[in-house]
Amino acid sequence: SYELTQPPSVSVSPGQTASITCSGDKLGDKYACWYQQKPGQSPVVVIYQDKKRPSGIPERFSGFNSGNTATLTISGTQAMDEADYYCQTWDSSSYVFGTGTKVTVL
Amino acid sequence: QVQLQESGPGLVKPSQTLSLTCSVSGDSISSSSDYWSWIRQPAGKGLEWIGRVYPSGSTNYNPSLKSRVTISVDTSKNQFSLKLNSVTAADTAVYYCARDYSGTQDPWGQGILVTVSS
Repeated sequence: SYELTQPPSVSVSPGQTASITCSGDKLGDKYACWYQQKPGQSPVVVIYQDKKRPSGIPERFSGFNSGNTATLTISGTQAMDEADYYCQTWDSSSYVFGTGTKVTVL
Repeated sequence: QVQLQESGPGLVKPSQTLSLTCSVSGDSISSSSDYWSWIRQPAGKGLEWIGRVYPSGSTNYNPSLKSRVTISVDTSKNQFSLKLNSVTAADTAVYYCARDYSGTQDPWGQGILVTVSS
């Protein structure tokens, strides 16, 4: 079965850039999306179709997908961005979620 | 604005069937061109996609759960449902429903905790 691997944790200082990777075989040939989940809340999509931002998502969130890796970048990270982030793609008629990354804003 | 709300028993006995319903407001399932998904998340763990249903009744399932899952739609009630049979403690999780479009799930319901225990 298809697997998506993310680093368990990423730490970033306020105002700096956080990059979260999502690795999967030939992931760049598929669409990837990213979800943000804060404690006790439902996930919210922050990037879909590799790089599109839904209405209401700040411009500091951006996405890129090529080769075997999709990347979510948070520029000018704010304390409110501290959350778990999950990537997702579609493979063989099934969605697959990444393992998840906890972003800590120090 | 589309809103989704999960409902159903919060406690299910081992070996029995977990049954949940997702009520959709702000959009008509029957006239939408979107799929409707179920996802779950055990406490402290990651997300697992369970499956989805199209308004016509067509479905896709996670291969790891396919033998135990049935997702159906009731367009007259603007709802879709999840049945997971032969449950064990490993099926204890928060279950979410969500609209599925453009290769993503958005929005999600608030989630419902289902505990499998005797």
